[in-house]
Amino acid sequence: AQKVTQAQTEISVVEKEDVTLDCVYETRDTTYYLFWYKQPPSGELVFLIRRNSFDEQNEISGRYSWNFQKSTSSFNFTITASQVVDSAVYFCALSALTQGGSEKLVFGKGMKLTVNP
Amino acid sequence: EAEVAQSPRYKITEKSQAVAFWCDPISGHATLYWYRQILGQGPELLVQFQDESVVDDSQLPKDRFSAERLKGVDSTLKIQPAELGDSAMYLCASSLDPMWAINTGELFFGEGSRLTVL
Repeated sequence: AQKVTQAQTEISVVEKEDVTLDCVYETRDTTYYLFWYKQPPSGELVFLIRRNSFDEQNEISGRYSWNFQKSTSSFNFTITASQVVDSAVYFCALSALTQGGSEKLVFGKGMKLTVNP
Repeated sequence: EAEVAQSPRYKITEKSQAVAFWCDPISGHATLYWYRQILGQGPELLVQFQDESVVDDSQLPKDRFSAERLKGVDSTLKIQPAELGDSAMYLCASSLDPMWAINTGELFFGEGSRLTVL
């Protein structure tokens, strides 16, 4: 069965610090997709990135960067020069097939990031 | 910008009462999911619809939970009777097709309905 582990439950940093959120996944599928979502206090899940299992290139988007290492089954997320607006719960997720043969997300437990001014 | 609408945003009820949540997906989205997110945990899939049909309800506690999407558009999730352990955020999500992760990568979530059972 698919599983996503986010070992860190809560991190608190001071503004402008860099912070890395760890994600380790388990799957027997050869093709799969990894995601990161942000959940602000309002509750909705905001999509950040999708990465397929065949693309191990790191990706950078502004202050966000992602490091995918298939050899260690990790998909880590780094926020550079953190800002107060980055405060949220961040979820790593893995695509999996439902019993009906379509796709669902398997989420980690989430990591609460607090950025203090 | 199109959104997944959910109501109510907040619901407080006493145990053994009935409660219902409503979700209106983005227009044209055939695939609809209900996830439950217990405080401090990640969301977990309860039920998935493709149009009006349930395609996966393996994690839905069917003794007390029911879900329907009668016309393949909006959906209702019901709990009867509610128990203390049902306190959670109930998230609805929709996508154009069931293989969204491969095809578009787009799954849209609503703001959720937060349930507190006293």
